[in-house]
Amino acid sequence: GAVVSQHPSWVICKSGTSVKIECRSLDFQATTMFWYRQFPKQSLMLMATSNEGSKATYEQGVEKDKFLINHASLTLSTLTVTSAHPEDSSFYICSARADREAGQPQHFGDGTRLSIL
Amino acid sequence: QKEVEQNSGPLSVPEGAIASLNCTYSDRGSQSFFWYRQYSGKSPELIMFIYSNGDKEDGRFTAQLNKASQYVSLLIRDSQPSDSATYLCAVRKTNAGKSTFGDGTTLTVKP
Repeated sequence: GAVVSQHPSWVICKSGTSVKIECRSLDFQATTMFWYRQFPKQSLMLMATSNEGSKATYEQGVEKDKFLINHASLTLSTLTVTSAHPEDSSFYICSARADREAGQPQHFGDGTRLSIL
Repeated sequence: QKEVEQNSGPLSVPEGAIASLNCTYSDRGSQSFFWYRQYSGKSPELIMFIYSNGDKEDGRFTAQLNKASQYVSLLIRDSQPSDSATYLCAVRKTNAGKSTFGDGTTLTVKP
């Protein structure tokens, strides 16, 4: 149980393109979803937290107009990187959690490797 | 001081040995504690979680929590080369809040 599906796995696109990444919880209702970014050999960096039906809460230093997050349903959240540039190239990972019961762990998707040329 | 601290390693153990991974946290009000394993180039996967003081065992893995000392550890018995990965400790203060992740400890199990 607790499967989180993330698509696409890899994206290569030109500078200036907008890229959408989908994150789905397949067998549970994800009341809270998280988006992380990770550069090679570095730590996970939380970008934002989203609750279903609410606006996402962004971490300090993360541009909300550049990284658009939508959590429209209990099973789907999307991250759109708008007008992506080479410095946005990274490993983006979503994570989902069901908060109906207290203390539930968060489960991670397989991640999306984004390369901007 | 970081909220969640882990030795970066690398920690190297021979195959079959016990690997001990440690994590300390600064917020005494923390309630939930999680261990994740992350293979190189992959996303983290949940290994165990613990909420109460004491030990929790799952197969070859044992999580130990000591809230008075603000310390949580993960023991891996009969370590295998396939256990070689980075282990992330995560701590959460409230049931609905976000977790704070440590930077991870890299474990290498040598055949």
